[in-house]
Amino acid sequence: DGGITQSPKYLFRKEGQNVTLSCEQNLNHDAMYWYRQDPGQGLRLIYYSQIVNDFQKGDIAEGYSVSREKKESFPLTVTSAQKNPTAFYLCASSIVLGDTEAFFGQGTRLTVV
Amino acid sequence: AQKITQTQPGMFVQEKEAVTLDCTYDTSDQSYGLFWYKQPSSGEMIFLIYQGSYDEQNATEGRYSLNFQKARKSANLVISASQLGDSAMYFCAMRGGFKTIFGAGTRLFVKA
Repeated sequence: DGGITQSPKYLFRKEGQNVTLSCEQNLNHDAMYWYRQDPGQGLRLIYYSQIVNDFQKGDIAEGYSVSREKKESFPLTVTSAQKNPTAFYLCASSIVLGDTEAFFGQGTRLTVV
Repeated sequence: AQKITQTQPGMFVQEKEAVTLDCTYDTSDQSYGLFWYKQPSSGEMIFLIYQGSYDEQNATEGRYSLNFQKARKSANLVISASQLGDSAMYFCAMRGGFKTIFGAGTRLFVKA
């Protein structure tokens, strides 16, 4: 079945450490996105990518980095510069950037301990 | 600046009844899109329905319909014949250009 896979589902990190969240899609979509969700809030855009080897900052990119070396993969690194990284992270993809329907993964819950 | 407002943090509905989830938006764009997503407890976001700003007819998808009132800048979601499986968080979202912004969500509880 086609879809988006995020791993791991739960992740714990010590303060001061970088951590990378995985996102893989087999939908052959060009566009991919990373969102952050905090309790009681909607999703906020961290980074997005229109095509391989291209990505753009979203609304809250500080303290995060991404790469897009392959069409199907869009990993997100949460760096030690991110002041409040504990959150739920969702990856999404769409056929093209800004397409009507985006497909989401099941998310990764990151907790800093 | 664009903004999405969902004023109902939580809603209860009896099984088999209809329920309306409110959404108002603010934008200066002439062309934009409005979405509703469902987020069950498992975490993924499920696309439900889309309405373009130039669409004259209200969008419908099965038991979901979007009550679009452009002059009032509202895009309410109507779920008919609620089912227990409809219990979830529901997010209204708006796309202008390539970015999508989301409201804070409404948690819907369906009672048996």
